[in-house]
Amino acid sequence: KAGVTQTPRYLIKTRGQQVTLSCSPISGHRSVSWYQQTPGQGLQFLFEYFSETQRNKGNFPGRFSGRQFSNSRSEMNVSTLELGDSALYLCASSLDLGQVNTQYFGPGTRLTVL
Amino acid sequence: AQTVTQSQPEMSVQEAETVTLSCTYDTSENNYYLFWYKQPPSRQMILVIRQEAYKQQNATENRFSVNFQKAAKSFSLKISDSQLGDTAMYFCAFMKGGGDSNYQLIWGAGTKLIIKP
Repeated sequence: KAGVTQTPRYLIKTRGQQVTLSCSPISGHRSVSWYQQTPGQGLQFLFEYFSETQRNKGNFPGRFSGRQFSNSRSEMNVSTLELGDSALYLCASSLDLGQVNTQYFGPGTRLTVL
Repeated sequence: AQTVTQSQPEMSVQEAETVTLSCTYDTSENNYYLFWYKQPPSRQMILVIRQEAYKQQNATENRFSVNFQKAAKSFSLKISDSQLGDTAMYFCAFMKGGGDSNYQLIWGAGTKLIIKP
């Protein structure tokens, strides 16, 4: 079974631009979560989607948004990029069968904001 | 709010030795899950082991085992017969259980483990 895939793997943008990252979960997984990883702040939860609905949101500004499609694929968007948005963005998927919620991660998208 | 603390920023051991990584957490929840993930230089986050808080038996996965002390809120990872491929950042993570759909991982700061030949 194929793992979680994320595209693109690397992105370079300039301040003020916007960016869209994509995540395809493991087949059959319906929950997708996004995390930001930076050297200074570590791993922080962005948001989680299930059945095309955002179930949870972390403590990030409104410039960070996401959505999930009917096939469980998810995208996250960052508008008006700032230098501090440079990070590794990790997507994780899980089956979401009640108590069984182990998250499996993709390889990440490395975003650099210049 | 839940917090996860990993007090060892970096550790190094010789190949074939046993190493234990520490993790403590703080929560008022009774139903939760604990995880260890490894992140090698490739940056791919890989699940190592999972522990359900309601299970008294410590989880094991081949060379990896945990020492789960619920009362002490401690969750250490033991790696036996360490291999060069175990070199990675290791993250301890907490997830609340239950039916309120709050399925987010709370992460520790990580421990960098170096296995020396």
